[in-house]
Amino acid sequence: SQKIEQNSEALNIQEGKTATLTCNYTNYSPAYLQWYRQDPGRGPVFLLLIRENEKEKRKERLKVTFDTTLKQSLFHITASQPADSATYLCALMDTGRRALTFGSGTRLQVQP
Amino acid sequence: DGGITQSPKYLFRKEGQNVTLSCEQNLNHDAMYWYRQDPGQGLRLIYYSQIVNDFQKGDIAEGYSVSREKKESFPLTVTSAQKNPTAFYLCASSIGQNYGYTFGSGTRLTVV
Repeated sequence: SQKIEQNSEALNIQEGKTATLTCNYTNYSPAYLQWYRQDPGRGPVFLLLIRENEKEKRKERLKVTFDTTLKQSLFHITASQPADSATYLCALMDTGRRALTFGSGTRLQVQP
Repeated sequence: DGGITQSPKYLFRKEGQNVTLSCEQNLNHDAMYWYRQDPGQGLRLIYYSQIVNDFQKGDIAEGYSVSREKKESFPLTVTSAQKNPTAFYLCASSIGQNYGYTFGSGTRLTVV
């Protein structure tokens, strides 16, 4: 069966450290993968998109990698701040499909 | 300011009632989507529309209906056939494939 797996346990890190979140998928052939941030009671906010032929994408303190062999994407936040505390969702667009499929998200807590 | 507006923010439904959730966007986006989010879970696709007067079922369309008579509007009706409608409903839009989604702030529906 198809699965998108994100760590359901919250990730707690100290301010200033790099946070790394994982997204693994099974039985998908994604054309691209996206990462979103969601705050409690709010809609997700788009952060980054990475295509299947791209290995890495950066935006300010954010970095995403995409390994189609391992079927995994890693999302990094460098120099993390308490304001980065939120739930981060990965989403992928499967080949032949025309809407995103989302993972369940990982909650990040950055301690001051 | 361009954006996507969902209303109402909170909605209470009695057993056996149909209710309609509003979603309006002024971003001139062609594609619109409806997702459902249950506590601790990811977003699940209900319906989506790529162009006016056309829409497709998502993964959990049973008990829901939509219309797309105008580019700006994509209302979702939760019918009495939906047995477990209590959830957080999110509407999104995008320019098209290969772009991030813009989400509304959501409607929290509760059956009373």
